Parts: sequence; C-alpha cells; structure tokens
Amino acid sequence: SQQGEEDPQALSIQEGENATMNCSYKTSINNLQWYRQNSGRGLVHLILIRSNEREKHSGRLRVTLDTSKKSSSLLITASRAADTASYFCATRRDTGRRALTFGSGTRLQVQP
Amino acid sequence: DAGVIQSPRHEVTEMGQEVTLRCKPISGHNSLFWYRQTMMRGLELLIYFNNNVPIDDSGMPEDRFSAKMPNASFSTLKIQPSEPRDSAVYFCASKPLLRDNEQFFGPGTRLTVL
Repeated sequence: SQQGEEDPQALSIQEGENATMNCSYKTSINNLQWYRQNSGRGLVHLILIRSNEREKHSGRLRVTLDTSKKSSSLLITASRAADTASYFCATRRDTGRRALTFGSGTRLQVQP
Repeated sequence: DAGVIQSPRHEVTEMGQEVTLRCKPISGHNSLFWYRQTMMRGLELLIYFNNNVPIDDSGMPEDRFSAKMPNASFSTLKIQPSEPRDSAVYFCASKPLLRDNEQFFGPGTRLTVL
C-alpha cells in the first residue's frame, strides 16, 4: 500500500478557522515534508521535519511528527481564502530508496 | 533564477504518436526527478537522476517510457508509442544532490493522448 496517506481527503472551512491535515506512513523515515499545490500548478515545498524532531513552526504553519505512530499533522492557523489548495505529505525513507514518496493529498477549501 | 522549466506546457497528441517532454533543472541542482500525476493514482515518481545518472527507474510504467539526461541542464521523458492511459500531468523537479531538503517543481506538462 502507499507510503504517506493524508486524512481527510477533502476539508472545507471558513476563513479564519484552523485547518488540520494528517498524514500516516508505513516505513521508517529520515524526514517528512509537506507540499502545497494550487490548481494547475506544480508543488511548492512548505516545511520539512526530521525524524528526530517532534514539532516545527513556520509562520502560520505548525507541523508535528510522531514516529512511534508513524504519523504527522499539518496545522494552518487563521486560514485565508488564498490557502485553498491541495496539500501533500512526502516521506524520505532512512534506508533503501531515498527518493520522496508522496501521499494522495488533502484538498482544502477555505470559504471567504 | 527562473526555476525549473518544462516544455511544452500542454501537449495533445493521437494514440501511437511519440511524445517528448523536456525539463531544464535549476542551475546547480544535480538531482532531477520525473513524476506523473493523475486523479486515480496521485503523484507517482517515474525516475530520478543524480549527476545525470539514472538511479531509480522502478516507477517507469512500461518500456514505452524512457528518460535521458545528457547533461546537467537538460532532461527528456519520451513515450513511444503513446496511449490514452498515458494522459496525465508530468512534473519535473530538481534539488541539490547533497542537501536533504525540498524539491523544486516545474509547472508541469499536461499531456492528452486521444
């Protein structure tokens, strides 16, 4: 099965609310990254968290990593309409294949 | 820097035709990745290169697909012959080899095979 599964598949919230997206994975990892994709565009890197880190912040983004549960969450605080996009987690394994494996993504809709 | 450049941005072709997608990575980035994105299968890694050498092509779906990187500033993904199920958005991404950080994605090529 696929490494990196996001949950929920789709999320619709009002502007100003917080959005939380979750990612689960199956193998031991070196790091986990979150990317954003606007409709019709390429992916843009948001944040990277290493396997020895538990939490990381960048602006309105907060990422947590629980390696014991093999899961991560991305929190976007005080969401804006411009945050509407698909969000993907990507994992880099610590052994074997070193390329990133992307999840299926969460489609976030922020209503103005 | 202009970022990762892909061409063409859109390609419509008929089944059986050869399709060549092109990518220019960011200067100084010596890892290059080709991905395919569809609604059904999501984002799939097809192949990646380090220093122009293919490292992992296990994601290439069939022998109809081939990729080359003749130099550090250019890569191609070729499909011959193309089939309707190859319709997808193909992304190229690059990163510095020794830095374990983000990949920089191009805008993608939307391929439609009729």
